[in-house]
Amino acid sequence: DGGITQSPKYLFRKEGQNVTLSCEQNLNHDAMYWYRQDPGQGLRLIYYSQIVNDFQKGDIAEGYSVSREKKESFPLTVTSAQKNPTAFYLCASALKSSYEQYFGPGTRLTVT
Amino acid sequence: GESVGLHLPTLSVQEGDNSIINCAYSNSASDYFIWYKQESGKGPQFIIDIRSNMDKRQGQRVTVLLNKTVKHLSLQIAATQPGDSAVYFCAETKTGANNLFFGTGTRLTVIP
Repeated sequence: DGGITQSPKYLFRKEGQNVTLSCEQNLNHDAMYWYRQDPGQGLRLIYYSQIVNDFQKGDIAEGYSVSREKKESFPLTVTSAQKNPTAFYLCASALKSSYEQYFGPGTRLTVT
Repeated sequence: GESVGLHLPTLSVQEGDNSIINCAYSNSASDYFIWYKQESGKGPQFIIDIRSNMDKRQGQRVTVLLNKTVKHLSLQIAATQPGDSAVYFCAETKTGANNLFFGTGTRLTVIP
């Protein structure tokens, strides 16, 4: 099956720990994106990548880091510098020539 | 009726009625728009898109209307079903931009 997967679905961490969220796609999409969604809110862009080994900050990149070593994978690390990390994290991908983004199922991160 | 929730506008409709979800977009230069549907705990799913050279586009049971004069987008769902209950987001972008910009969303509740 073609698609975009995120793991795990639920993640719990203690404050002060870094945590990495996985995002994998087998759609052969060039672009990948990470969004954060808080309850009752829209999607806010954290980072995006248009091509392997290149990525750009979105609107709320502080406290996050990413890598794009492979076309299929775009992991997001939530660092201890992120002041309010508890949220629902969504990964998306798209063809380079398209704005239609395909979303993964999301990872709900809870930090206590 | 329509009311403002904690952060999210809400719309409640009877099963079988038509639904109209509205979105005011922010950038007059935006020329491409997408509607997404997000069910609880899941990632958003593409519903329909429209380019700024069109005023109306129809899909299966859905119609999107674009009024560029007042920067307004609407999604009409015909014969609303319980499975349509979800949060609906509009997203905008302009040709050449690297990303979509998402609205806050509207929660649609279908009453059986």
